[in-house]
Amino acid sequence: SQQGEEDPQALSIQEGENATMNCSYKTSINNLQWYRQNSGRGLVHLILIRSNEREKHSGRLRVTLDTSKKSSSLLITASRAADTASYFCATVPKAAGNKLTFGGGTRVLVKP
Amino acid sequence: NAGVTQTPKFQVLKTGQSMTLQCAQDMNHEYMSWYRQDPGMGLRLIHYSVGAGITDQGEVPNGYNVSRSTTEDFPLRLLSAAPSQTSVYFCASSYAGFTYEQYFGPGTRLTVT
Repeated sequence: SQQGEEDPQALSIQEGENATMNCSYKTSINNLQWYRQNSGRGLVHLILIRSNEREKHSGRLRVTLDTSKKSSSLLITASRAADTASYFCATVPKAAGNKLTFGGGTRVLVKP
Repeated sequence: NAGVTQTPKFQVLKTGQSMTLQCAQDMNHEYMSWYRQDPGMGLRLIHYSVGAGITDQGEVPNGYNVSRSTTEDFPLRLLSAAPSQTSVYFCASSYAGFTYEQYFGPGTRLTVT
């Protein structure tokens, strides 16, 4: 079974709106990472947040982490058509030999 | 820097054929890994390596072999392809392990008929 599960599975918004997606996981983690995948391409790292951090920002991206609820959220503000992609959370559990485990992803469509 | 490169981009195999997916990185990263991506499943770890000469199994290793003779290269071998191995394969590297940012290659789309 997957460690991380993203919600929603798909999201459609207008350009300029904000997009929020959530990631829930099952076991204690060392850190949580968010990646973007454009259609037909490899994954690109966006943000890494450690288990002792609650919030991180990078440009128009904001990531929060709530370890008590075992969940994280990724907010994209003022979305652009170029943000159309799939977004994946990936966790490094404290158990399981510290391997990276990916969720199924959220497909985001930003309409111009 | 080219980053992580993978060849071929596309491949069609018949059941029972063998092939090697190539992966190379020019960032002098110690860690390299192979994932497969199936629809709705996210990425699953096949094999990984923590340095030249050292490899280990991931979540779905059956049907795949790896070796790591140099820091730069980490090929993935399918000894006898099966339709269940139809997938998109991604190679990744990182400076010092899974707790660090992973750099991914562009992927190889494999179809086994």
